Order: sequence, then C-alpha cells, then structure tokens
Amino acid sequence: GAGVSQTPSNKVTEKGKYVELRCDPISGHTALYWYRQSLGQGPEFLIYFQGTGAADDSGLPNDRFFAVRPEGSVSTLKIQRTERGDSAVYLCASSLGSGYSSYNEQFFGPGTRLTVL
Amino acid sequence: DAKTTQPTSMDCAEGRAANLPCNHSTISGNEYVYWYRQIHSQGPQYIIHGLKNNETNEMASLIITEDRKSSTLILPHATLRDTAVYYCIVSPPYGGSQGNLIFGKGTKLSVKP
Repeated sequence: GAGVSQTPSNKVTEKGKYVELRCDPISGHTALYWYRQSLGQGPEFLIYFQGTGAADDSGLPNDRFFAVRPEGSVSTLKIQRTERGDSAVYLCASSLGSGYSSYNEQFFGPGTRLTVL
Repeated sequence: DAKTTQPTSMDCAEGRAANLPCNHSTISGNEYVYWYRQIHSQGPQYIIHGLKNNETNEMASLIITEDRKSSTLILPHATLRDTAVYYCIVSPPYGGSQGNLIFGKGTKLSVKP
C-alpha cells in the first residue's frame, strides 16, 4: 500500500521567503509527526498531531514555524521568514495513534530537503 | 536529549551477525526500547521494540539485559542492504501527549563484502 508521501522532495528558497511543506500520511493513521534532520544528526522532533489537533508542539523552534492538519489527514508545515539555519531535511511520519496501539511504530516519509540561500 | 548512548560506527562482514549495543542506564520502569534504522537518503524505518523480554521478528532480535540498562540489536545475517544508521530510542508508553521519539546520533553500520 501507499506509504507516507511528502512534497516537494526538494525546495530551494531565498532567505526571508515563506515556504510550505506538505505531508500525506498513510490512510487511516490518526497520528502525524514532523521532524527535521540536519546533516550528521538524528531527526529532531518538531510537532505531533493526534487527529486535527496538535498534541505536542514543544519542538517548534520559534514562532516562524507553524503546522496545520485541518481535516485530520494531510498536514502542512509552514515556515515564515526563512533563515539559512532552517536548511535541513524535514521528515514527516504517521502512526495508527495512541488509541490503537500501546507502542509507537512510526512510518516515515522520504523527507523534503529545504535549502535556504 | 537522547537517553541512550551508542557507538558512532561499526563494521560487519556480509553474512555475519551484526551486534549493535546501546546503553540506557537511566531508563524508567515503563519505558520501551525502540530500534529504528535510516538508510541513506530515506526516512527512518522501525525495526523492533521491547520492554523487558527479548524480542524477535523477521528483521532482527532485541536482547535487553535483566536490569534494562542496556540492550543489543542483532541482525543475524547482515547483507549489504543493512548498511544504515541504527538508532536506539527509549520512550514512554504511547498515549496522550507522549508521541514523539527522541533520536540520538545512532550507530553507522557498514556491511562490507
């Protein structure tokens, strides 16, 4: 079946611009996560949705970062006034959700590589 | 910060068992041990998890010490396709706001012909 998909696969933008990154989770998965990964590092948590609501947004680095999931399926990560330090691979993952499973098997997409010039 | 310590890198000969260690001396009683791996240019992939008992699935085996302060992931017959970064993660039971995984830097496993 279809896995988690992310678009675009690559995004190059200029400092100060606004970007949107999209994630399509596995159908039926109620939980969705955003992580970002810098070169040589493990993924770093940003935000976690259970359904439409953000259950935990403690990983968002500042108020330039925002994410939505209005219908409980597709999610968009929005970054305003991009900075060179935002350059990274942004990963999305989904899982069945805490109501279905006692353990946390997350399915990751291939990521969006964001480059801020 | 990650609650686990792993070697930075390891090598393994193709066809041999790969044993990847992980220290998690501050693990709490209800926390699980998870292993994920990340092949180059792909997203992480779940491998296995455990609480107290040893676990085995089609991909790997997980051996957890009796005091739960360390564990070992075993790939019984490593292939070139197992070359990846392997992450050991400690996480509380899934529920409520407990959703995210905290990744460290992992162990880069290189399987050589």
